[in-house]
Amino acid sequence: DAKTTQPNSMESNEEEPVHLPCNHSTISGTDYIHWYRQLPSQGPEYVIHGLTSNVNNRMASLAIAEDRKSSTLILHRATLRDAAVYYCILSRPYNQGGKLIFGQGTELSVKP
Amino acid sequence: DTEVTQTPKHLVMGMTNKKSLKCEQHMGHRAMYWYKQKAKKPPELMFVYSYEKLSINESVPSRFSPECPNSSLLNLHLHALQPEDSALYLCASSQRGTGGRNEQFFGPGTRLTVL
Repeated sequence: DAKTTQPNSMESNEEEPVHLPCNHSTISGTDYIHWYRQLPSQGPEYVIHGLTSNVNNRMASLAIAEDRKSSTLILHRATLRDAAVYYCILSRPYNQGGKLIFGQGTELSVKP
Repeated sequence: DTEVTQTPKHLVMGMTNKKSLKCEQHMGHRAMYWYKQKAKKPPELMFVYSYEKLSINESVPSRFSPECPNSSLLNLHLHALQPEDSALYLCASSQRGTGGRNEQFFGPGTRLTVL
């Protein structure tokens, strides 16, 4: 079954860029790549998603490898409020179950 | 209104009790989800309702019983739980069906403790 692999933890300095990697070597051609983050004592929050092309939104950028076996979430300038667990997730199409397959998550700490 | 609300925030129950968790959204979303999350672990999918019909049950024990009375409301009925069922229970919703590009909106969760 497809799954994602992420580092357990990463550290960043405030106002510096952060690159959070994710491997998904068994991704299927129709799986979307989603990123969510979970702040302490809250539910997960959507960050960004993509299928094949790189994506940008107000929160982050998503860089997807050409073979789609890995991706990187980029926070352009980390703030203290970005400290959270970041989940790299494969999202199956509806006709294949429509589930989110969560990775174990990367705990990001941000130092002032 | 762009949020998913869950009540109660905290719940403590004995193994013989019957209780219910409630989830509500007023975004017009047609898919709703229950997840279970243990400490330091990712959420695990339990149930999915799509257009008010149960579409996914991830082999959840029958002591958990979901109900979707209407498109805005999702309940999880609990009966004869075990201490290992103690966890954070998260509800989520998405606009059109499940999976693919659909973004899920999560509630803050109910922290359940079974004594």
